[in-house]
Amino acid sequence: AQTVTQSQPEMSVQEAETVTLSCTYDTSENNYYLFWYKQPPSRQMILVIRQEAYKQQNATENRFSVNFQKAAKSFSLKISDSQLGDTAMYFCAFMKAAGGAQKLVFGQGTRLTINP
Amino acid sequence: DTGVSQNPRHKITKRGQNVTFRCDPISEHNRLYWYRQTLGQGPEFLTYFQNEAQLEKSRLLSDRFSAERPKGSFSTLEIQRTEQGDSAMYLCASSSTPGVGYTFGSGTRLTVV
Repeated sequence: AQTVTQSQPEMSVQEAETVTLSCTYDTSENNYYLFWYKQPPSRQMILVIRQEAYKQQNATENRFSVNFQKAAKSFSLKISDSQLGDTAMYFCAFMKAAGGAQKLVFGQGTRLTINP
Repeated sequence: DTGVSQNPRHKITKRGQNVTFRCDPISEHNRLYWYRQTLGQGPEFLTYFQNEAQLEKSRLLSDRFSAERPKGSFSTLEIQRTEQGDSAMYLCASSSTPGVGYTFGSGTRLTVV
């Protein structure tokens, strides 16, 4: 079974700073997807960024980028020029690339607060 | 495309009562998922539908839980004889290509008193 671990329950930074959220996972699969989802207070879960395990190049979406280290089974999220609207719970998630339900396995989450 | 819709947003019920939640996925999405999220935790998988077929159920889904997706459209999740431990946010998500991610609804928050 796959597991996802987020070791930082809470983080807090000042607006415009850069912040990195950590995620490690455990799997015996060779091909899979990794995701970061954002869940603002009382709002729905939104996809931030995804990474395909067979791609070595780290994914980037505007101010969001990942550092994917396949051998180390590490998948961190970097948020540059942080904004007040980035305040949310952030969840790292794993998905097998094929077969079965392709369900998401989530970590425990990191509560990120951006301070003005 | 109005996204994934879940109703009701909130439900307070007395222990022992039955409750039913509804999820309307994005119309062209053939895959539908239910997750449960307790306070301060990540969502946990409950069950998965491909079209109208329920293809996978988690061990978390006890005999008191049942889900349906008639005609592969909307889905319902029913909890019978609710217990306080059932209090949680119930999330629905849909997808046509899981590898690009799911679209989640806003969830139904259940409180059992």
